[in-house]
Amino acid sequence: DAGITQSPRHKVTETGTPVTLRCHQTENHRYMYWYRQDPGHGLRLIHYSYGVKDTDKGEVSDGYSVSRSKTEDFLLTLESATSSQTSVYFCAINKKEVLDTGELFFGEGSRLTVL
Amino acid sequence: AQTVTQSQPEMSVQEAETVTLSCTYDTSENNYYLFWYKQPPSRQMILVIRQEAYKQQNATENRFSVNFQKAAKSFSLKISDSQLGDTAMYFCAFGFGNEKLTFGTGTRLTIIP
Repeated sequence: DAGITQSPRHKVTETGTPVTLRCHQTENHRYMYWYRQDPGHGLRLIHYSYGVKDTDKGEVSDGYSVSRSKTEDFLLTLESATSSQTSVYFCAINKKEVLDTGELFFGEGSRLTVL
Repeated sequence: AQTVTQSQPEMSVQEAETVTLSCTYDTSENNYYLFWYKQPPSRQMILVIRQEAYKQQNATENRFSVNFQKAAKSFSLKISDSQLGDTAMYFCAFGFGNEKLTFGTGTRLTIIP
């Protein structure tokens, strides 16, 4: 158990509505990531964070924003959801402070459907 | 930018046989990590095996082993004595320095009883 909780696990929404996905960790690691998984594309990095209020863009950041006001929470927001954002979203952490192996530990994923 | 290529979208093999999944990558870095992750139907991402680029010895974890060819930028995964529980998506991933991982597009492996 990597101590990562994603919520909601499933969500169906309509085009144009805002959506926020939450990633919560229990171990206070600095490094957190949001990926999306789509058939034929694997996992692609959306945004990542190196600490509170320290975030940066990944390769597919358009249409997404993130916030990290507390070490344990990393929020991903779709300001105005589009059908192209239908995907499975994964949060991940790097336990670099205690386990410097480069490995990422993943949450269970959140399936988002935008109608 | 780093890229990871998995050229086999799908593979299938009979139970108890050996199967090899291919992965190539492109980087100008010298020190990095390589990983194979497994994603069963439960959707959970599970680390199968990892390799540090500075280590010449290929990593092994029970039935799983890799063939790491640094000069060729190749990192294949061999699964011996395959089991039904090995049925999953397998992702190759590359990482270095700033801790981000770059993933390939995945190979869907089916073990046939």
